[in-house]
Amino acid sequence: GIQVEQSPPDLILQEGANSTLRCNFSDSVNNLQWFHQNPWGQLINLFYIPSGTKQNGRLSATTVATERYSLLYISSSQTTDSGVYFCAAISGSEKLVFGKGTKLTVNP
Amino acid sequence: NAGVMQNPRHLVRRRGQEARLRCSPMKGHSHVYWYRQLPEEGLKFMVYLQKENIIDESGMPKERFSAEFPKEGPSILRIQQVVRGDSAAYFCASSRAAGGNTEAFFGQGTRLTVV
Repeated sequence: GIQVEQSPPDLILQEGANSTLRCNFSDSVNNLQWFHQNPWGQLINLFYIPSGTKQNGRLSATTVATERYSLLYISSSQTTDSGVYFCAAISGSEKLVFGKGTKLTVNP
Repeated sequence: NAGVMQNPRHLVRRRGQEARLRCSPMKGHSHVYWYRQLPEEGLKFMVYLQKENIIDESGMPKERFSAEFPKEGPSILRIQQVVRGDSAAYFCASSRAAGGNTEAFFGQGTRLTVV
């Protein structure tokens, strides 16, 4: 099955900094999603982005399907951005395969 | 427009008891997926169901675990004779169509603790 790898595993930022999180996947995908798991454990949908670029406020994402990677950009980070960011993909089946996540800590 | 609803949020069971986790999908969604998250790990697929049918249970342990999605009512994940290793967060997701080409939305999870 498809393999999903995320980097970096951990990221510490000062409030106001920008960051880029990366997701590599081993096969062509027909579904790719980014999630934010907040410190209370809730999974928040950020982007459904099997290809192309999307933006939502300070967050944006780009998936280059032909090169099998996706990037999540966070600009002007805030302490509320802290948590774990997951990338998940579907390739040829019906189930999302998750990466291990990037743990983001934004310090005031 | 309620999202995916899971209950209970927290569940404590003694070893050997049964755990029942419930999931009501978003309105208009007929595809339900269960995932398990161990501490400090990503989510792992367990089972995919449509109304009254199990489509893919390849991620679910063969013994003690079962799932259903009846014609009426929520989807249920049932764990019999729980052991300490079952302690985890269990998430349910739903989608409008088959997962390959549509966005999935997750509930808040049920955190199961086996003592």
